[in-house]
Amino acid sequence: QSVLTQPPSVSGAPGERVTISCTGGSSNLGAGYDVRWYQQLPGTAPKLLIYGNSNRPSGVPDRFSGSKSGTSASLAITGLQAEDEADYYCQSDDNNLSVWVFGGGTKLTVL
Amino acid sequence: EVQLVESGGGLVKPGGSLRLSCAASGFTFSSVWMSWGRQGPGKGLEWVGRIKSKTDGGTTDYAAPVKGRFTILRDDSKNTLYLQMSGLRIEDTAVYYCIKGGAAPHWGQGTLVTVSS
Repeated sequence: QSVLTQPPSVSGAPGERVTISCTGGSSNLGAGYDVRWYQQLPGTAPKLLIYGNSNRPSGVPDRFSGSKSGTSASLAITGLQAEDEADYYCQSDDNNLSVWVFGGGTKLTVL
Repeated sequence: EVQLVESGGGLVKPGGSLRLSCAASGFTFSSVWMSWGRQGPGKGLEWVGRIKSKTDGGTTDYAAPVKGRFTILRDDSKNTLYLQMSGLRIEDTAVYYCIKGGAAPHWGQGTLVTVSS
């Protein structure tokens, strides 16, 4: 059971927009900690997509965007492409448990 | 360019020990908090622990499942991070990742640790 809750899977057709939610609690997202989002392609290491709730590292397309409100955060992907098919994880800090906590991951399927 | 290269993974028996290394380059290693993460086969990402920079005290924090069994060390003169693992269990089988901390973390490519008899 992960501290942050994500849907196990989402899907969309090429060109569509999808969102992935991440729900936490008062000791992590609700405590004001920022959320990060990672993309993990099959057989590769996680790659940072979003940091500080809504900031993109250099090289990440602006099709990816993040937001946070209260104890929830979301990742939006617009203009879906086949290469976006991957696992996506949210991550934050936590007061009570370990220092970093993760969501269980969401598998994105591009139909 | 930030580079993190993990090494030291392999097959170890339950109860055994192993030391992982992470060679860092492309940034001022001594100034950065460093972490280890892992991912079991078919499972999600899990944070293992971190070590602060010496300027910030050099202290360590660990996730509950590894506390008391794993130790994180750093050698700033060699730009190298270590993960000393002892009392290994089957459930510790995972790819272990070295992570550069900060607002925008960067992950290495990982090294596989298999705990099996």
